[in-house]
Amino acid sequence: GAGVSQSPSNKVTEKGKDVELRCDPISGHTALYWYRQSLGQGLEFLIYFQGNSAPDKSGLPSDRFSAERTGGSVSTLTIQRTQQEDSAVYLCASSLALRGVSDTQYFGPGTRLTVL
Amino acid sequence: AQKVTQAQTEISVVEKEDVTLDCVYETRDTTYYLFWYKQPPSGELVFLIRRNSFDEQNEISGRYSWNFQKSTSSFNFTITASQVVDSAVYFCALRRNEGGGADGLTFGKGTHLIIQP
Repeated sequence: GAGVSQSPSNKVTEKGKDVELRCDPISGHTALYWYRQSLGQGLEFLIYFQGNSAPDKSGLPSDRFSAERTGGSVSTLTIQRTQQEDSAVYLCASSLALRGVSDTQYFGPGTRLTVL
Repeated sequence: AQKVTQAQTEISVVEKEDVTLDCVYETRDTTYYLFWYKQPPSGELVFLIRRNSFDEQNEISGRYSWNFQKSTSSFNFTITASQVVDSAVYFCALRRNEGGGADGLTFGKGTHLIIQP
């Protein structure tokens, strides 16, 4: 497709369950980013992938969060044993990430996660 | 550490008024990038502009203009002759200039702009 796509658009889950959020970047974009948007914390950067590797995972809120990217394309963000404080909109972005050149991140529509 | 401050939580103006959204940033990097994004009620973040730290030229795009002043660490955004469709939350963001070309953005808290008809 033309833009970044994310699925599902909405996810309601019960506390303690695992969830998987999916992101499909713009075709040809080598870098992929995950952010979280919540009322209390605003927009927080979580993790980025250059190709399939994530150089820095320190932005992930806890060890219940993990992310992977395979084939340099689709990425999944997994939250294990969800807690109510995980409720937020999870945004994905992608960029060309040309070495030595800044680039622009284009965002998807987000996945709204509600943990009951 | 990097920080972006958008002191105006909410601004409300009447249509056709000019409005300026403030953005002040902090960084120890000598080269960096600044961005503005718009988030309409639909929720998707829309890219508006990117500015390099070594390029202090102001930019105008239609009714939008941006004023970058390195001396005051500010990157303000002005909408001229505002329209109802401009109503949205506007985010200012900062990114360090890493050689790899990819890194996360540090966002401000956003300014909710309301344009009343």
